[in-house]
Amino acid sequence: QKEVEQDPGPLSVPEGAIVSLNCTYSNSAFQYFMWYRQYSRKGPELLMYTYSSGNKEDGRFTAQVDKSSKYISLFIRDSQPSDSATYLCAGGDFGNEKLTFGTGTRLTIIP
Amino acid sequence: DTGVSQNPRHKITKRGQNVTFRCDPISEHNRLYWYRQTLGQGPEFLTYFQNEAQLEKSRLLSDRFSAERPKGSFSTLEIQRTEQGDSAMYLCASSLGRNQPQHFGDGTRLSIL
Repeated sequence: QKEVEQDPGPLSVPEGAIVSLNCTYSNSAFQYFMWYRQYSRKGPELLMYTYSSGNKEDGRFTAQVDKSSKYISLFIRDSQPSDSATYLCAGGDFGNEKLTFGTGTRLTIIP
Repeated sequence: DTGVSQNPRHKITKRGQNVTFRCDPISEHNRLYWYRQTLGQGPEFLTYFQNEAQLEKSRLLSDRFSAERPKGSFSTLEIQRTEQGDSAMYLCASSLGRNQPQHFGDGTRLSIL
């Protein structure tokens, strides 16, 4: 079992819809989480990071962490065609410095 | 934009050759990380530096791989005697400090003929 599981998609939604992207993790040591967006042939771009359970909002993006169920989510409001990309979730623990990534979910926003 | 810079962007080489990649982190960042990403997968951790000290290496980093950060600024990743399985995107990231958000470059895509 991978430490971070993520549905690879692809996921297609119409422009303007709310997108929900989800990950589960198995490593109880994970204490912080990050969401990255990756366009084709580009590096991952940091979208959100959170160190605690609960919600964190930044513009159209909301990250949600539920440590009791080991479940993390990213919501995108008013989705745009430019949001079409692969979204990666990652977990880390304070005992070491590496991030453990999911496989990524490929998202397409249909105009 | 003074983000993480990686060179070259694409490297094509024959099996058995040595290759070297360079990473220039964000200037004030003392942490530098190397990851490898294959098609359809997320990045996998290889190694990281705090300033010039290499503090952790993944078991993915075989003896053919070596990384340096001689003056605590830029870093190089060398692969000796390349194999087909080394074909991947090699990503570099940097951060301000321990457990801080990591910012990635656009990677070096390695293709082994």
